[in-house]
Amino acid sequence: NAGVTQTPKFQVLKTGQSMTLQCAQDMNHEYMSWYRQDPGMGLRLIHYSVGAGITDQGEVPNGYNVSRSTTEDFPLRLLSAAPSQTSVYFCASSYSWTDFSGNTIYFGEGSWLTVV
Amino acid sequence: DAKTTQPPSMDCAEGRAANLPCNHSTISGNEYVYWYRQIHSQGPQYIIHGLKNNETNEMASLIITEDRKSSTLILPHATLRDTAVYYCIVERSISSGSARQLTFGSGTQLTVLP
Repeated sequence: NAGVTQTPKFQVLKTGQSMTLQCAQDMNHEYMSWYRQDPGMGLRLIHYSVGAGITDQGEVPNGYNVSRSTTEDFPLRLLSAAPSQTSVYFCASSYSWTDFSGNTIYFGEGSWLTVV
Repeated sequence: DAKTTQPPSMDCAEGRAANLPCNHSTISGNEYVYWYRQIHSQGPQYIIHGLKNNETNEMASLIITEDRKSSTLILPHATLRDTAVYYCIVERSISSGSARQLTFGSGTQLTVLP
């Protein structure tokens, strides 16, 4: 049981390039989400998914795209990277999206992205 | 979900109990209190959660006041590895159909001193 796995751990992009951050979980979790964390700040929700084929926007979705073709995977795509997207990105998952009572959210170890 | 207020930083001597307070005066009856911590930019780690009663697990204890407007996370014997940012989060127990969005504030930077 690997939990939530993110790749790559570090990435440097040039402005305008596109890339995909990968996220996979092996816990059969319904709910998956992407957060970004900027220096000295808390986490902000980018996009989330409540099951295969179902995604929706979070607090800061602009410039990002997601899809969920399987329960296990939830990739985050940067369409045209900008320096403002320099951040640490965390993928997270939990078993249920409807019953939060005692439903722990598991986080990946993070992906450090620098856009120059 | 209700907002939370935490002190920005605290120090604690190694081996002593660390008591981290959190104010959530607007909490609703169906909202849980969760605590997570983040060690040096690693992914946030779940610590403990509670609704009304005090809770204890292998990592920590959670004391919730009777009116539920505040809570305290207790690390009974803090070690240097407990140095981290601790987040107190309030979340409703059932989805209203929208995102499960944990609102992470700035948290409390706990520094355990040797």
